[in-house]
Amino acid sequence: DTAVSQTPKYLVTQMGNDKSIKCEQNLGHDTMYWYKQDSKKFLKIMFSYNNKELIINETVPNRFSPKSPDKAHLNLHINSLELGDSAVYFCASSWGQGDNYGYTFGSGTRLTVV
Amino acid sequence: GESVGLHLPTLSVQEGDNSIINCAYSNSASDYFIWYKQESGKGPQFIIDIRSNMDKRQGQRVTVLLNKTVKHLSLQIAATQPGDSAVYFCAEPKNTGNQFYFGTGTSLTVIP
Repeated sequence: DTAVSQTPKYLVTQMGNDKSIKCEQNLGHDTMYWYKQDSKKFLKIMFSYNNKELIINETVPNRFSPKSPDKAHLNLHINSLELGDSAVYFCASSWGQGDNYGYTFGSGTRLTVV
Repeated sequence: GESVGLHLPTLSVQEGDNSIINCAYSNSASDYFIWYKQESGKGPQFIIDIRSNMDKRQGQRVTVLLNKTVKHLSLQIAATQPGDSAVYFCAEPKNTGNQFYFGTGTSLTVIP
């Protein structure tokens, strides 16, 4: 069983469209994240949810809206897609603060906006 | 082979040699560090971690060294294999919330 799974793995879409990426974790973790990785492999956090509650919202355009229906799911909806949104988006989860709070990452969604 | 993560983002080593990947961190109060490995087309994967009360931690073929005086971490990979080819990130916790800051990353290529 995949611990953190994202769908779709690839997404090609035109500018101006609205799209969603889904993420599910079966690890029982309390906290979930969305990270964006650019072409230079730089990883930047976008959002963090703890038990369905938004706890981190970095400087991200409000075209990006996360939704967490339950603590095992964190979806990312993007409105009015722009060329600069092209990147790989990673979902991750963790236990939260404590002795060990490293992340488990999904395999990523490569978004290409044309 | 040896690299400085921020200034030399690529490192090429011969198969069987040892690799050293370096990372400078920013927050002297950081008490926990993680090294991640990201293979092509995959998400980052936990390799090894270290707490600030330790100078060294060893895993299977990997060793992490922590020098708090100069805020420097290194990841040593012994007898590097083709399967070690990947981008390696060091990560330190940010001050706010359960969040990590990921370094720039170093791309390791193993030459057969």
